Amino acid sequence: GAVVSQHPSRVICKSGTSVKIECRSLDFQATTMFWYRQFPKQSLMLMATSNEGSKATYEQGVEKDKFLINHASLTLSTLTVTSAHPEDSSFYICSARGGSTEKLFFGSGTQLSVL
Amino acid sequence: GQSLEQPSEVTAVEGAIVQINCTYQTSGFYGLSWYQQHDGGAPTFLSYNALDGLEETGRFSSFLSRSDSYGYLLLQELQMKDSASYFCARKLIFGTGTRLQVFP
Repeated sequence: GAVVSQHPSRVICKSGTSVKIECRSLDFQATTMFWYRQFPKQSLMLMATSNEGSKATYEQGVEKDKFLINHASLTLSTLTVTSAHPEDSSFYICSARGGSTEKLFFGSGTQLSVL
Repeated sequence: GQSLEQPSEVTAVEGAIVQINCTYQTSGFYGLSWYQQHDGGAPTFLSYNALDGLEETGRFSSFLSRSDSYGYLLLQELQMKDSASYFCARKLIFGTGTRLQVFP
């Protein structure tokens, strides 16, 4: 199956700093990737759809200036949490579809803790 | 937006059968997917129903009725390793999630 790699797996940062999370499709090309966040014991909430070579599409209520998404190549999407605050602490997961199926392949996730 | 509702928690013993339901509000002809997520891990794909009816994949089966906006995941011959959270998903939207605990 398709492999999605996400890095880093865990990051702790000070309030006000920016954090970049990388998501790579290792054995397939992903023109579209999806970014989710998940609070403890809750569901996955879709934040945005990352489109290769164009602007990301953000879900309602997600601040695009806060969560910067760049999808510069067919295998790499990045999410930058700018000026992070404690309320941004969460589990962030990227995913991509392998081929034309509805099946989503997920990265291993990034646990962000903002102090 | 659409929401997909699931029971928050289900408990069962090893070897038993468990059904996890998923109901959604928005009508349409989209299929329904199921994912498993262990604590601290990423979701992994279990099954997808593109059409109405039952799909069987080993110990897991999934059912969809689009006219009833309803689906379920059936887990048979439960094992301890099946203890995890299970999510239905429609398009890119995930359900509220069901935490399954399997006891010996």
